[in-house]
Amino acid sequence: GENVEQHPSTLSVQEGDSAVIKCTYSDSASNYFPWYKQELGKGPQLIIDIRSNVGEKKDQRIAVTLNKTAKHFSLHITETQPEDSAVYFCAASNRLTGRRALTFGSGTRLQVQP
Amino acid sequence: DVKVTQSSRYLVKRTGEKVFLECVQDMDHENMFWYRQDPGLGLRLIYFSYDVKMKEKGDIPEGYSVSREKKERFSLILESASTNQTSMYLCASKSPVDSPPSFGGYTFGSGTRLTVV
Repeated sequence: GENVEQHPSTLSVQEGDSAVIKCTYSDSASNYFPWYKQELGKGPQLIIDIRSNVGEKKDQRIAVTLNKTAKHFSLHITETQPEDSAVYFCAASNRLTGRRALTFGSGTRLQVQP
Repeated sequence: DVKVTQSSRYLVKRTGEKVFLECVQDMDHENMFWYRQDPGLGLRLIYFSYDVKMKEKGDIPEGYSVSREKKERFSLILESASTNQTSMYLCASKSPVDSPPSFGGYTFGSGTRLTVV
């Protein structure tokens, strides 16, 4: 089955700096890669996703890149703000065949220092 | 917006008790999931369901069962609670892949923090 590894487990940045979180996956058939943000006391919330036919996707200050050959994908947050502080999870699944449930990484706790 | 409601925010149960965790979604989604969240381990899939009365085991189904009698409700059952089942339990519902705005994204409930003593 799919295995998703996520690094780093914790990340501290100064407000205004960029933050990068990296994930690798094992199943070459995976074709859907979402990122979730979990704030304290809440369930994870989808913030951006990318499909395997796209190499990069942007939404304002966040972007995700995908390298299918190397089987890794990354989340980039620019101009970080204190409200970006949260736990971020990457995930992967095969939307067409096999088990379609998401396999999640272990999470990254991002702290943005004012 | 899709709403996923988990009936309890906090639960404390005794070892050996039978425990029911309830989850309800309001968007007629076919796919629903139960995950448990533990520090350093991320979210691990316990069970999922792709239709009424249909279920599939996830990665860690041992000690758990599920029930989906109605489309909107997906229940997780701990047959005989043990201390190693102390965890945060998250329920999720998945939108159809052609349905905006999330096109197949998951909506999670706020979670149930279960403590087994």
